[in-house]
Amino acid sequence: KNEVEQSPQNLTAQEGEFITINCSYSVGISALHWLQQHPGGGIVSLFMLSSGKKKHGRLIATINIQEKHSSLHITASHPRDSAVYICAAESYNTDKLIFGTGTRLQVFP
Amino acid sequence: GAVVSQHPSWVICKSGTSVKIECRSLDFQATTMFWYRQFPKQSLMLMATSNEGSKATYEQGVEKDKFLINHASLTLSTLTVTSAHPEDSSFYICSARPGRWGNQPQHFGDGTRLSIL
Repeated sequence: KNEVEQSPQNLTAQEGEFITINCSYSVGISALHWLQQHPGGGIVSLFMLSSGKKKHGRLIATINIQEKHSSLHITASHPRDSAVYICAAESYNTDKLIFGTGTRLQVFP
Repeated sequence: GAVVSQHPSWVICKSGTSVKIECRSLDFQATTMFWYRQFPKQSLMLMATSNEGSKATYEQGVEKDKFLINHASLTLSTLTVTSAHPEDSSFYICSARPGRWGNQPQHFGDGTRLSIL
């Protein structure tokens, strides 16, 4: 079993839909990261959170430390949101990132 | 916002060639930089942690003589793939963390796509 698991692996949506991507982890963490990787490969850090909820534009990230679970929500999705979204747990012991396998999102107009 | 520049973005070269990839933090000092490798449709795999002024820490299974890392300044780390072979073809990406403490997110470069013929 992977230390960081994401679901779903693939997700297609119609423009405007509300999207949720889930992440569960089994390691002790100092922080949980959500990253966005575009087809060209470049990675953007979306959120780094250790508790509660953060919002940036149409993106919302939540984390439940007790349940070791985090979610990334996209409201009013748009084709430009199409990308791979990666959850990464920052190990409390080592500061290293442990990556989930990613969720490939495609939003159609 | 914080920017990490990685160069080159794309390399094609013959087997046996050594390839150097640069990772620069443009507007912040990075005590620690990380080098990752990513195979198609797979997640990132940490290769090594690069610490300014000291030797890099390599992950298990990563050959340190094959993948030479130098972090000579607070804004530059380099990864050299020595005597590259086709199996070294991959996407390599670096990240840098501002400051000395672990309370800042890592900032990623745009990656280098390496193809060895």
